[in-house]
Amino acid sequence: SQTIHQWPATLVQPVGSPLSLECTVEGTSNPNLYWYRQAAGRGLQLLFYSVGIGQISSEVPQNLSASRPQDRQFILSSKKLLLSDSGFYLCAWGSSGSTDTQYFGPGTRLTVL
Amino acid sequence: QKEVEQNSGPLSVPEGAIASLNCTYSDRGSQSFFWYRQYSGKSPELIMFIYSNGDKEDGRFTAQLNKASQYVSLLIRDSQPSDSATYLCAVRPTGRRALTFGSGTRLQVQP
Repeated sequence: SQTIHQWPATLVQPVGSPLSLECTVEGTSNPNLYWYRQAAGRGLQLLFYSVGIGQISSEVPQNLSASRPQDRQFILSSKKLLLSDSGFYLCAWGSSGSTDTQYFGPGTRLTVL
Repeated sequence: QKEVEQNSGPLSVPEGAIASLNCTYSDRGSQSFFWYRQYSGKSPELIMFIYSNGDKEDGRFTAQLNKASQYVSLLIRDSQPSDSATYLCAVRPTGRRALTFGSGTRLQVQP
């Protein structure tokens, strides 16, 4: 069965510091991978998605970036965090076939102070 | 107009009742529709997906889709306190790989 991992689970960072969040998927090959952010009491905002190694599509221009160095690894980064970057960051995977179903990881709760 | 709209709630129902959650979407060409449940502080988990007009049942859950009215609903029969959560509606708009989510409806099931 497929499993998705995210770490760290929680993170408190000062404004202006760098960020690196990691997501890995087990039990599937060539998944579509997604990064979402959920601000407190808000819906999910799609940040990036990837259909393959090195292929990244950005949905919202901001100070975040994403990379996919391996088939089942997706990384979210920032060089300098802003207060507005606080939120719940969710990685999701979906089959590269015709189905659109997405499955979420446990998430990383980021607080920028 | 938001792409996917849901009433934020809270929707309060007594234990054992039917909870009805509704969602409308703006892209008439959307083909795939999903319901996720999110407990406080946790990540969303998939409950059901539906692609065709009509009803789809899975245990106590029934998803209903009406593409002409651009309307999706989720019925929860015999509601339990453990069903208390935020329910997210998601749609895949035409030509997009990723899903667009509504802001969610908070459901409270009163014992």
